[in-house]
Amino acid sequence: GAVVSQHPSWVICKSGTSVKIECRSLDFQATTMFWYRQFPKQSLMLMATSNEGSKATYEQGVEKDKFLINHASLTLSTLTVTSAHPEDSSFYICSATPPGEGGYTFGSGTRLTVV
Amino acid sequence: AQSVTQLGSHVSVSEGALVLLRCNYSSSVPPYLFWYVQYPNQGLQLLLKYTTGATLVKGINGFEAEFKKSETSFHLTKPSAHMSDAAEYFCAVTYSGGYQKVTFGTGTKLQVIP
Repeated sequence: GAVVSQHPSWVICKSGTSVKIECRSLDFQATTMFWYRQFPKQSLMLMATSNEGSKATYEQGVEKDKFLINHASLTLSTLTVTSAHPEDSSFYICSATPPGEGGYTFGSGTRLTVV
Repeated sequence: AQSVTQLGSHVSVSEGALVLLRCNYSSSVPPYLFWYVQYPNQGLQLLLKYTTGATLVKGINGFEAEFKKSETSFHLTKPSAHMSDAAEYFCAVTYSGGYQKVTFGTGTKLQVIP
């Protein structure tokens, strides 16, 4: 089946630095990808919709300048957490819709810890 | 607007017993419904989905779910629980028409007791 690869699986960074997370569709083209954030023991909250070749659409309450999304190709979307702070520590997951499948394939997630 | 309600944040069953995880949805248009499983520190894996057609949907690992429009429900079942089924399960809803936002329920953590 369709695979969405997410990298890195986990990352620890110092407060004030930036971290980039990659989301790749391995065997299909994805003009749209989604970025979610999951707090401990909670559900997934949609952060933004990443659109290839155009600006991302952010959900209400999500800081555009802190969570930079770039969808430069049909198989790659990146999420950069800028000037990270401990409260940004979370589990970030991306997803994409393989054509014709009527469903969403999720990446394996990235555990971000800001110290 | 669409929403999903999962009844019971924690469910415990004995190994070999029936698993029933409840999900009710709200959608103003015909929904697409999904069940995902998440193991600790991992992403989500699709168990099964309902889009159109047969209302009883069979998924992986022996799970199945039935779409009941009259009850606005999409409950997940498995006849006999296995220890490896212990995980968190999320029900989700979206609808057709391109790339639509997916709304997730709050999740149900399944514990399987040996």
